[in-house]
Amino acid sequence: ETGVTQSPTHLIKTRGQQVTLRCSSQSGHNTVSWYQQALGQGPQFIFQYYREEENGRGNFPPRFSGLQFPNYSSELNVNALELDDSALYLCASSLGNSGNTIYFGEGSWLTVV
Amino acid sequence: AQSVTQLGSHVSVSEGALVLLRCNYSSSVPPYLFWYVQYPNQGLQLLLKYTTGATLVKGINGFEAEFKKSETSFHLTKPSAHMSDAAEYFCAVSEGNNAGNMLTFGGGTRLMVKP
Repeated sequence: ETGVTQSPTHLIKTRGQQVTLRCSSQSGHNTVSWYQQALGQGPQFIFQYYREEENGRGNFPPRFSGLQFPNYSSELNVNALELDDSALYLCASSLGNSGNTIYFGEGSWLTVV
Repeated sequence: AQSVTQLGSHVSVSEGALVLLRCNYSSSVPPYLFWYVQYPNQGLQLLLKYTTGATLVKGINGFEAEFKKSETSFHLTKPSAHMSDAAEYFCAVSEGNNAGNMLTFGGGTRLMVKP
């Protein structure tokens, strides 16, 4: 139990649609990051938010966007879904922005058909 | 840029045998290094991490790893495998203190434990 909760756990979307995934960080954690894990691969960093501002981004197009709220919960939004967006999306939180222990949620499985 | 290579996408050992999962990294700055475990249909659980100090790091469930700068390696070991160790293992690197949660992961190694 990491204290990081994600919703929904599973969802199916159609190509071209939009999706919003949600994450509730461990209490007091002000840094949240999102990762995409395709089947059979390691997670890939999408972006990170620290105190409600994006402060790091991986190699993902702008149709991947996010928000962090004052209570440090977070959303990942993906527009114009493509079949290759099918993956497990992992949220991770930590206290601060200096390499403290990072806790992962159990992820949201997205299938795009 | 940083990268992580995990040698062997699948490793099979007998119960009670030594577990050795290999990880090599590249980083332009002194790295922070991590091993995570992922059980089927679950998220990632931290096994251990190296930031600074002692190069031999002990983690949960009897696992340990040694940071070898000269070899750019951070191999994971466990003296005696248990059936419950069967899972996917990921090595990850971050660029030290300024990197926050920005981890670069290897492709993973699936550990199978035979009775």
